[in-house]
Amino acid sequence: KAGVTQTPRYLIKTRGQQVTLSCSPISGHRSVSWYQQTPGQGLQFLFEYFSETQRNKGNFPGRFSGRQFSNSRSEMNVSTLELGDSALYLCASSFGRDSMNTEAFFGQGTRLTVV
Amino acid sequence: GQNIDQPTEMTATEGAIVQINCTYQTSGFNGLFWYQQHAGEAPTFLSYNVLDGLEEKGRFSSFLSRSKGYSYLLLKELQMKDSASYLCAVEQDYGQNFVFGPGTRLSVLP
Repeated sequence: KAGVTQTPRYLIKTRGQQVTLSCSPISGHRSVSWYQQTPGQGLQFLFEYFSETQRNKGNFPGRFSGRQFSNSRSEMNVSTLELGDSALYLCASSFGRDSMNTEAFFGQGTRLTVV
Repeated sequence: GQNIDQPTEMTATEGAIVQINCTYQTSGFNGLFWYQQHAGEAPTFLSYNVLDGLEEKGRFSSFLSRSKGYSYLLLKELQMKDSASYLCAVEQDYGQNFVFGPGTRLSVLP
């Protein structure tokens, strides 16, 4: 079956701009989580969506937002980009807690560079 | 606070056994996961523990002690392709809300 697909794979933006990243989960998965990965901070949880509702949110400023559509695809938006937002953004999909199968599958990520 | 500790780097020889330790202190606990991440690639799921004890999956085993806030990942019959970062992650509450450790970079030498 097709894996988790993230687009675009690479992105270069200028400070102050905004960016939208997309994540298509594995078919049948209803939970999508977003993570930021940097060399200094490691993997940090941004938020999680399940059935179009945000269920959990990490400790990131309001510039980071997301949404999930009825087909479970999710988008993440970062407004007023800062240099420190340069990172690999990963999304992970799973069946969600309704299922005993808790395994989460990660996409290849979007590498965002802010200049 | 929330804290997950892992050794930063480990080195082992092909064919050997290596144990990667993880200690955690988190506000919630719904399970502990181990992920493998090769450089430039996405993390891939290795194991999941929610009850105390050992879970075995081929060459990989993972152990959990909830009372001690401790887990380890055991890799047997090491292969060169096992050179990667190994991430310990605690799911804090309902919904894939993971807290990740800093990762352990394992180098397997011939």
